[in-house]
Amino acid sequence: GNSVTQMEGPVTLSEEAFLTINCTYTATGYPSLFWYVQYPGEGLQLLLKATKADDKGSNKGFEATYRKETTSFHLEKGSVQVSDSAVYFCALSRFSGNTGKLIFGQGTTLQVKP
Amino acid sequence: EAQVTQNPRYLITVTGKKLTVTCSQNMNHEYMSWYRQDPGLGLRQIYYSMNVEVTDKGDVPEGYKVSRKEKRNFPLILESPSPNQTSLYFCASSSRLGTGNQPQHFGDGTRLSIL
Repeated sequence: GNSVTQMEGPVTLSEEAFLTINCTYTATGYPSLFWYVQYPGEGLQLLLKATKADDKGSNKGFEATYRKETTSFHLEKGSVQVSDSAVYFCALSRFSGNTGKLIFGQGTTLQVKP
Repeated sequence: EAQVTQNPRYLITVTGKKLTVTCSQNMNHEYMSWYRQDPGLGLRQIYYSMNVEVTDKGDVPEGYKVSRKEKRNFPLILESPSPNQTSLYFCASSSRLGTGNQPQHFGDGTRLSIL
């Protein structure tokens, strides 16, 4: 079946450090891939998305490239800020049976220290 | 402002006392879903709806009911809540356009504690 696996957290970085959060997926066909971010006490917000192989999604300095050969969608940012501290979820959407359902990874907590 | 609104945000209640969590969206979206978030498990879909009067089970539907009488509203009903339904719940909506690549818009969440 379809599934998403993220690296375990928490990830603790100093401000301005480079960030990578690994995400791999298992799915048939060509799913769409997403990164969502959840700030403390809030709902999930879409961070970026990619809908086909080799697409690069980007937003707020974050990037992720849809790699079909390695079934990966790793999240990167060149220089993190304290305000990036949040929980990050990788997700895939496989349009099966018209549900458009999102399948989430378990989430990775990022803590950025000044 | 486009939004998904859930109420209540927090609720502490006791086993067996029926409760309803409301969800409303103002984006005229066809799809609506309920998820629960538990530590180490990410979000799991409880129920979804493709349009008015069309609902179906997600991955963890046991102990929950939903209804979709109007396009904007999608309440989650716990007829007889139990402690294992203590969780953080999210409602989400999305447009039917495309083939699953439309982002879902999430509410701010409802934290339920069942004693």
